[in-house]
Amino acid sequence: EVQLLESGGGLVQPGGSLRLSCAASGFSFSSYAMSWVRQAPGKGLKWVSGVSSGGSNTYYADSVKGRFTISRDNSKNTLYLQMNSLTAEDTAVYYCAKAMGGSSWHKSDYWGQGTLVTVSS
Amino acid sequence: QSALTQPPSVSGSPGQSVTISCTGTSSDVGTYNRVSWYQQPPGTAPKLMIYEVSNRPSGVPDRFSGSKSGNTASLTISGLQTEDEADYYCSSYTSSSTLVFGGGTKLTVL
Repeated sequence: EVQLLESGGGLVQPGGSLRLSCAASGFSFSSYAMSWVRQAPGKGLKWVSGVSSGGSNTYYADSVKGRFTISRDNSKNTLYLQMNSLTAEDTAVYYCAKAMGGSSWHKSDYWGQGTLVTVSS
Repeated sequence: QSALTQPPSVSGSPGQSVTISCTGTSSDVGTYNRVSWYQQPPGTAPKLMIYEVSNRPSGVPDRFSGSKSGNTASLTISGLQTEDEADYYCSSYTSSSTLVFGGGTKLTVL
């Protein structure tokens, strides 16, 4: 059974940093691209970032480019999102999502339950 | 990258059919067949219902179907059931190598 478990969310002050993790199990993690998608309270889904199966190709939404870094450790079956220079607009539930293929990060067939990031003073 | 345009809400009675539209541009929906649809009941994570315009993952009922014409993709749900009540989101790959979602459509089954 595919499982994705996000962690690392919490309350952070504006300008602060946070690192999210997503522990994957139940599939060959190193064979699949992964993505982060966020959802502000009461709002719609917003794509944040994607990474290829090997980790060499990364993609970012304009709103986070230069502030967020996606990475993965295939030896630990874990996906990361390093978030710096956080603002209130980054407040959201962050979902980790598994792609349907090694580079198909645009289509995600399994999602975690999300971790809430709140940016506030 | 602007969000894809979806109607805020649609409704239908059990057994009826509804169609949700998703309008983009020639930089996303109009050029790429990388359009997906997700179902999100309240308080839960999204679930993939359609990928690459019209393909259903295993386990998704064939009552759900997808299509595309020009810059607009559509999700049709036939034989509506009360369990279909949820928010629905479309997404598309873009020419900037990013992903854009629609604003979401709330489906109410009357």
